[in-house]
Amino acid sequence: EAQVTQNPRYLITVTGKKLTVTCSQNMNHEYMSWYRQDPGLGLRQIYYSMNVEVTDKGDVPEGYKVSRKEKRNFPLILESPSPNQTSLYFCASSGYNEQYFGPGTRLTVT
Amino acid sequence: SQQGEEDPQALSIQEGENATMNCSYKTSINNLQWYRQNSGRGLVHLILIRSNEREKHSGRLRVTLDTSKKSSSLLITASRAADTASYFCATDASGANSKLTFGKGITLSVRP
Repeated sequence: EAQVTQNPRYLITVTGKKLTVTCSQNMNHEYMSWYRQDPGLGLRQIYYSMNVEVTDKGDVPEGYKVSRKEKRNFPLILESPSPNQTSLYFCASSGYNEQYFGPGTRLTVT
Repeated sequence: SQQGEEDPQALSIQEGENATMNCSYKTSINNLQWYRQNSGRGLVHLILIRSNEREKHSGRLRVTLDTSKKSSSLLITASRAADTASYFCATDASGANSKLTFGKGITLSVRP
């Protein structure tokens, strides 16, 4: 089954404690991206990757890092999380006609 | 930056009625896509319409695109309670499906 998986699904952490949200896809897609979703703001792209070792900033990259060492994996790294990064995060990978979204990671930073 | 702006922000209808949602955008696009999101879950792709197309159908979905007005509409016919969800339009300027810009979404409630 074609799918995008994210882990963890829920995370509560404290300000400044580094964390990583993993994302993996089994569709051999070259393009992957990360979004955050906030009430009233819709989805905003954080980072995207066109292929292995190729990443670029989206609309709201501040405070985030990504890496793409393998085609299937695209982890999102928060080096020093802050409360304004409390949000619902989605990873997506792109096929020809659509993007496939993961189930989401709800992050709370206190 | 937000490209698509959906209208209305919220829509409540009775089961069996049709639901029409609109999306406007600002810059040239290669295609426009509609997605559905059930509460707190991942988005699911519904339909894609390319800039050289004017109308597409998929089951109970009908989408139109007017590039001169930079607008699109999504029609769901004979709505069901299970259609209750948020709906987003997303524009793709590149055509590579690589960078989608999403609107803020429309909340559709279908009353049984």
